Amino acid sequence: AQKITQTQPGMFVQEKEAVTLDCTYDTSDPSYGLFWYKQPSSGEMIFLIYQGSYDQQNATEGRYSLNFQKARKSANLVISASQLGDSAMYFCAMREGDGNKLVFGAGTILRVKS
Amino acid sequence: DTAVSQTPKYLVTQMGNDKSIKCEQNLGHDTMYWYKQDSKKFLKIMFSYNNKELIINETVPNRFSPKSPDKAHLNLHINSLELGDSAVYFCASSQDRGQGSTEAFFGQGTRLTVV
Repeated sequence: AQKITQTQPGMFVQEKEAVTLDCTYDTSDPSYGLFWYKQPSSGEMIFLIYQGSYDQQNATEGRYSLNFQKARKSANLVISASQLGDSAMYFCAMREGDGNKLVFGAGTILRVKS
Repeated sequence: DTAVSQTPKYLVTQMGNDKSIKCEQNLGHDTMYWYKQDSKKFLKIMFSYNNKELIINETVPNRFSPKSPDKAHLNLHINSLELGDSAVYFCASSQDRGQGSTEAFFGQGTRLTVV
């Protein structure tokens, strides 16, 4: 069974607008972490933001925020004021408890239009 | 000042050859990983090492052999390369803080093309 599901293969957003990238996850472990990574066309994997399962508040990092809805098992990434440089592949990932691996979703390609 | 560096960045080789990819991290992390990203961009873990000990081996063919001489290095050796091995291989490292809170830092990737 898929642990991480990203249902949007591709998204378009107008420059300066906000965009939400969806991520749902599946785990029975009460302790887990959720992560978002950005992969631009140059290929590197850039860590963006982290949300812990016990965190009471949604994580924010600059223009990135994570809309964490625990009961729905969703961890959507919100990018505010989109910039052309935000065009990239975005991956949602999860680490369970003391697990030694990140499990990734299939990714969402985001294209920012000028 | 690269945190996780892997070499080479590009590797083109013929079927049947043996090749190695090297990875080093200067973050002082105790866990290192190899991930494979296929042509559809799907990322899947291959191996995880913690303090030089193999922790995870995700049903990777025996032709793939990781080696960790110390906790700052994790190399990947591949024997008898096949066309299906063509992919981007990422090295990563993390420092375990428990409760799933550990982000992984990735190297820039090695694009392996088997012809």
